[in-house]
Amino acid sequence: SQTIHQWPATLVQPVGSPLSLECTVEGTSNPNLYWYRQAAGRGLQLLFYSVGIGQISSEVPQNLSASRPQDRQFILSSKKLLLSDSGFYLCAWTWTQMDYGYTFGSGTRLTVV
Amino acid sequence: DAKTTQPPSMDCAEGRAANLPCNHSTISGNEYVYWYRQIHSQGPQYIIHGLKNNETNEMASLIITEDRKSSTLILPHATLRDTAVYYCIVGPSFGNEKLTFGTGTRLTIIP
Repeated sequence: SQTIHQWPATLVQPVGSPLSLECTVEGTSNPNLYWYRQAAGRGLQLLFYSVGIGQISSEVPQNLSASRPQDRQFILSSKKLLLSDSGFYLCAWTWTQMDYGYTFGSGTRLTVV
Repeated sequence: DAKTTQPPSMDCAEGRAANLPCNHSTISGNEYVYWYRQIHSQGPQYIIHGLKNNETNEMASLIITEDRKSSTLILPHATLRDTAVYYCIVGPSFGNEKLTFGTGTRLTIIP
């Protein structure tokens, strides 16, 4: 069966520090991968998505970047965090060939102080 | 992607059917209707999806109007664990790039 792992679960980082959040999927190949962010009390905002290794589409210009170094690995990064980067970050995957819908990871709650 | 309109909040008594409406009047012919829910501090969970016909699975039923401009998610016997934010989304077929989530309906199940 397919599983998605996202870590860490919580993170407190100072302003100006770097960020690296990792997401991996097991049990499938060539998934579509997504990073979403949810600010407190708000809906989900799509940040990046990837349909293959090295293929990244950015939805919102901002202080973040994403990379997909391996087929089932998706990384969200920042060189210098801002206070406005605080939020709940969610990784998700889906597969073009199967009727599974999006499967989300358990999320990372990031607080920038 | 077509946009959806949902009531911001709803209450439902435990054990009763919860009916969550969604308007998607600008949906195009090849777009599906998806429903997800998000329990507090967790990632959203897929519930059900459909194109034209009504759908049912172990979690819920989806009723889509004939003109496809609106739909209703039905939780037949709501429990306290169904308290969550429910998102109605329209978008292309599965796996085809991206889905855009709105703010959803906050459903509260009342004991």
